[in-house]
Amino acid sequence: DAGVIQSPRHEVTEMGQEVTLRCKPISGHDYLFWYRQTMMRGLELLIYFNNNVPIDDSGMPEDRFSAKMPNASFSTLKIQPSEPRDSAVYFCASSLKDTQYFGPGTRLTVL
Amino acid sequence: GEDVEQSLFLSVREGDSSVINCTYTDSSSTYLYWYKQEPGAGLQLLTYIFSNMDMKQDQRLTVLLNKKDKHLSLRIADTQTGDSAIYFCAEILRSGYSTLTFGKGTMLLVSP
Repeated sequence: DAGVIQSPRHEVTEMGQEVTLRCKPISGHDYLFWYRQTMMRGLELLIYFNNNVPIDDSGMPEDRFSAKMPNASFSTLKIQPSEPRDSAVYFCASSLKDTQYFGPGTRLTVL
Repeated sequence: GEDVEQSLFLSVREGDSSVINCTYTDSSSTYLYWYKQEPGAGLQLLTYIFSNMDMKQDQRLTVLLNKKDKHLSLRIADTQTGDSAIYFCAEILRSGYSTLTFGKGTMLLVSP
């Protein structure tokens, strides 16, 4: 298996623009997680899905953030409108039962 | 409450052993994990230990778990420059929701 795939790997955008991050989990995994990593806050869990259903989105910082999982092999995290404080590395992870496997991350820079 | 704490930085010389420590607060933890993050990369699962174990060894890695003190350690034998990275300790609770609680990470710097 190729592991968790994320795209794009790097994204630079201007404040106010919409940003969409994409994730393909490991085939057969039934949990999918979105994390954000910054120097100040470390790793933060934003939202996670089980069998494509959002279970806990309490980590989503604001209404500007939304996440979807239309099927078992694809998820998106959207920020609209983006702000400079959203600059971070966003990770997707997937798991079957307990052990999570992480993707390489998307480095987002909002100017 | 849930909290995982790690020291922020460790510096060792190549060939020495490294010991990275972690403390956690929730005695309900079922699995405890060590992840490695190299610069510009994602988190790579290194190893994990089930809460009913005291020790797990995997090649150069030894994980020790002291449940009484809620203390977890990762020992890397014969540390190499390629081991330089940030190491994260994480716990998963018995809640069944599969959410991990991460420490802030320990930066390991290995000098030649």
